[in-house]
Amino acid sequence: TQLLEQSPQFLSIQEGENLTVYCNSSSVFSSLQWYRQEPGEGPVLLVTVVTGGEVKKLKRLTFQFGDARKDSSLHITAAQTGDTGLYLCAGAHTGGFKTIFGAGTRLFVKA
Amino acid sequence: DAGITQSPRHKVTETGTPVTLRCHQTENHRYMYWYRQDPGHGLRLIHYSYGVKDTDKGEVSDGYSVSRSKTEDFLLTLESATSSQTSVYFCAIRSSSGYEDEQYFGPGTRLTVT
Repeated sequence: TQLLEQSPQFLSIQEGENLTVYCNSSSVFSSLQWYRQEPGEGPVLLVTVVTGGEVKKLKRLTFQFGDARKDSSLHITAAQTGDTGLYLCAGAHTGGFKTIFGAGTRLFVKA
Repeated sequence: DAGITQSPRHKVTETGTPVTLRCHQTENHRYMYWYRQDPGHGLRLIHYSYGVKDTDKGEVSDGYSVSRSKTEDFLLTLESATSSQTSVYFCAIRSSSGYEDEQYFGPGTRLTVT
C-alpha cells in the first residue's frame, strides 16, 4: 500500500508565528496537491506541484516539492486565524486515475 | 466552483437499511469519485467512475456499490448500512483543465448509522 504520511498531525500556534507541515512517502509521484478543508466543507485545492525541487508561493503559503518527488512541505509565514483548518496532501502517478491522500495536519491558529 | 452538489447533506439511518447518496455535476467531467473521511484516516477512495457505466473499486469498496447512468450523476449505495459506515462522504471530479490530477470536491454528506 502506498502511503502519504503527514506531520505533525495537529498543530496549535499563536497568530503571527511561522509553521511548516510535511508530507512524506516512499513512492515517487508525478504530481502532488495540497488542499485545505474547513469544518463542514469539502477540501479545496490550494496548489499542484509537478517538478522535483519546485517551489510555489500563494501569498503567505510556500509549497515545495522534494527533488526526488517523494515528499513535499507547506510553510506558512505569519499565520492568521483564517489559516485554521485541515491541510491535506495528495499524490498521483502518471497515467493513473486515483489519488492517494494523507491523513492531514489539523492547524489551529489562536488570536 | 466545479458545480458539484451532493444529496442529502445529512442522513440518519438504521442498521440494515439501504442508503443511496447522490452526486451531481454540471460541467460534463468524465471522472468522478466517492471518498469517505474518518478521523485519522484522511480521505479513502470507495469507488470511482471513468465514464457512463464505467466504474471501478477503490481501497474501501466492501459494502458499497455505485452506478453512473448519466455523465452528470454518480450514485453511491450502501446495500445494508452498518455502524462502521458512519462517516462523511465526499464526491469529487477530476479536473478537465489545468493539471489532470487535481480534484474538486462536493460539500459532503454526513451519514450516521444507528
